[in-house]
Amino acid sequence: DQQVKQNSPSLSVQEGRISILNCDYTNSMFDYFLWYKKYPAEGPTFLISISSIKDKNEDGRFTVFLNKSAKHLSLHIVPSQPGDSAVYFCAASDTGNTPLVFGKGTRLSVIA
Amino acid sequence: NAGVMQNPRHLVRRRGQEARLRCSPMKGHSHVYWYRQLPEEGLKFMVYLQKENIIDESGMPKERFSAEFPKEGPSILRIQQVVRGDSAAYFCASSLRRTGLDGGYTFGSGTRLTVV
Repeated sequence: DQQVKQNSPSLSVQEGRISILNCDYTNSMFDYFLWYKKYPAEGPTFLISISSIKDKNEDGRFTVFLNKSAKHLSLHIVPSQPGDSAVYFCAASDTGNTPLVFGKGTRLSVIA
Repeated sequence: NAGVMQNPRHLVRRRGQEARLRCSPMKGHSHVYWYRQLPEEGLKFMVYLQKENIIDESGMPKERFSAEFPKEGPSILRIQQVVRGDSAAYFCASSLRRTGLDGGYTFGSGTRLTVV
């Protein structure tokens, strides 16, 4: 059973517009959420995180929103750039108890 | 300050051979995690180790797979008698704290195992 779901395998966005990547989770014990970015033939790299005590965290062009009641989080990238084209993984943790659980990823293509 | 180092980057094995994957964590990190990514799939947790101890191996197949993180040297993921279904990218990650807070895990570039 998938505890972290990314239901959109791919997303195409024009350069300069907003990219919105979505993630749902089922385990109510999860209290820390992260987004990773992965380029081909490389390992995932950490992008941004959010604790369950917050509903928003912003870092430059990247903002993560958390809706605990809906068990949903999203990553917003504004404005999108061609270099943002990558696979984005959502991950969640029951802090200190379980290793990170990852979704299947969403492939973002930013078109110039 | 080198990141997480994995070797080899690519490994080809014939069915029935052994595959040995190595991972050196970031300096100062004592928590090591192995994940596997099958084609078109996400990252699946396999095993979590600290020095000389396996903390959580709930994601590891019961047979043919083993992992260690000795007092000296890299962590090793060993797959015995490989089969075609073992073909995947294997990622190692390390963290400073068990919780993985403040940036989560740092991943290596992975080892791509191909079983022919």
